Amino acid sequence: GNSVTQMEGPVTLSEEAFLTINCTYTATGYPSLFWYVQYPGEGLQLLLKATKADDKGSNKGFEATYRKETTSFHLEKGSVQVSDSAVYFCALNMYSGGGADGLTFGKGTHLIIQP
Amino acid sequence: KAGVTQTPRYLIKTRGQQVTLSCSPISGHRSVSWYQQTPGQGLQFLFEYFSETQRNKGNFPGRFSGRQFSNSRSEMNVSTLELGDSALYLCASSLESTFYNEQFFGPGTRLTVL
Repeated sequence: GNSVTQMEGPVTLSEEAFLTINCTYTATGYPSLFWYVQYPGEGLQLLLKATKADDKGSNKGFEATYRKETTSFHLEKGSVQVSDSAVYFCALNMYSGGGADGLTFGKGTHLIIQP
Repeated sequence: KAGVTQTPRYLIKTRGQQVTLSCSPISGHRSVSWYQQTPGQGLQFLFEYFSETQRNKGNFPGRFSGRQFSNSRSEMNVSTLELGDSALYLCASSLESTFYNEQFFGPGTRLTVL
């Protein structure tokens, strides 16, 4: 079946540091890839997505590139802020009969940014 | 535009009981998906409904069921509750296709089984 693997953390960084959260996937076929973020006390929000190989998703200074050759979708940000502290989830889905077979999530990475 | 709403937000039940959770999607959205979030298993897909029909299903026992009404509102039901069913249950809605359209998540219903 499909699966997503990501570092679980917690990952602790200082403000303005460079961020990388690794994500690799296993899928039969060509999935769409996503990063979701869950801020404390809030629901899941889509951060960015990529639907085909070599696509780059970007939002709020975060970027991730769909790498089919390495089955990866690593999340990066050049300079993190305290407000980026949250749990980040990598996810994928596959096309299935008009919809998709449901998002497959990684375990989530808890990111803590210290001032 | 109002977001996805879920009721109730918190629920406490005992083993063997059944429970019904409700989800109201964003206006105009026809697809509703349900997910279970636990510390051990993480986020897992339960099922998706589109136009009152279950379109996709995850790997959960038959005790977990759902339905969707003509106004796209959805309910999920868990019968014969077990301790392991304690979780945050998230509902997500999207316009048409969960593959091509973004899924918007609600705040979740926290279910505790004693």
